[in-house]
Amino acid sequence: DSGVTQTPKHLITATGQRVTLRCSPRSGDLSVYWYQQSLDQGLQFLIQYYNGEERAKGNILERFSAQQFPDLHSELNLSSLELGDSALYFCASSVLGTAGEQFFGPGTRLTVL
Amino acid sequence: SQQGEEDPQALSIQEGENATMNCSYKTSINNLQWYRQNSGRGLVHLILIRSNEREKHSGRLRVTLDTSKKSSSLLITASRAADTASYFCATAQSYSGAGSYQLTFGKGTKLSVIP
Repeated sequence: DSGVTQTPKHLITATGQRVTLRCSPRSGDLSVYWYQQSLDQGLQFLIQYYNGEERAKGNILERFSAQQFPDLHSELNLSSLELGDSALYFCASSVLGTAGEQFFGPGTRLTVL
Repeated sequence: SQQGEEDPQALSIQEGENATMNCSYKTSINNLQWYRQNSGRGLVHLILIRSNEREKHSGRLRVTLDTSKKSSSLLITASRAADTASYFCATAQSYSGAGSYQLTFGKGTKLSVIP
């Protein structure tokens, strides 16, 4: 158990809909990262937050947005969903400034029908 | 875009044999990390090697890094059935600003260890 929690575990929705994925980092970790894992694209970095502020941005679509709250939990919002958004979404957390290991949550499996 | 590219894509060995996976990358890095993922689960960090290190050991794992060739290898010795998983290399690159960096993952090597 990494100490990172993600909810829900599974999400099934329809095209055009909007969903919110939630992540709680390990106790004491200020940085949160979001990744998307799909069969064709592999594991793609989406975005990083540190203590409530956006720090780095990867291959995140404009339809996707994220935020980190004062209690350090983070939410990833996916809107206008398309079939191609079906994937595993992982959240990870780390200690800031070490460029070190990241601790991954169990993931949310999103299926868009 | 993928920074690390693992080779081979899939590897099947007998229990007790050694498994070697390779990773190549394109740009300069702060460090290189290896992660393991059991089917559909979260990734688990295995080992980190800094850009100024050449070799590192952790239990049955041995990692090498050749920055001149932009490549790394992960060796798992005396493999066990429980080592069956996908293994990913990830390169860490810094952004401007303290604590801003990202990990770029390869597509992974799927290892099957046959009992």
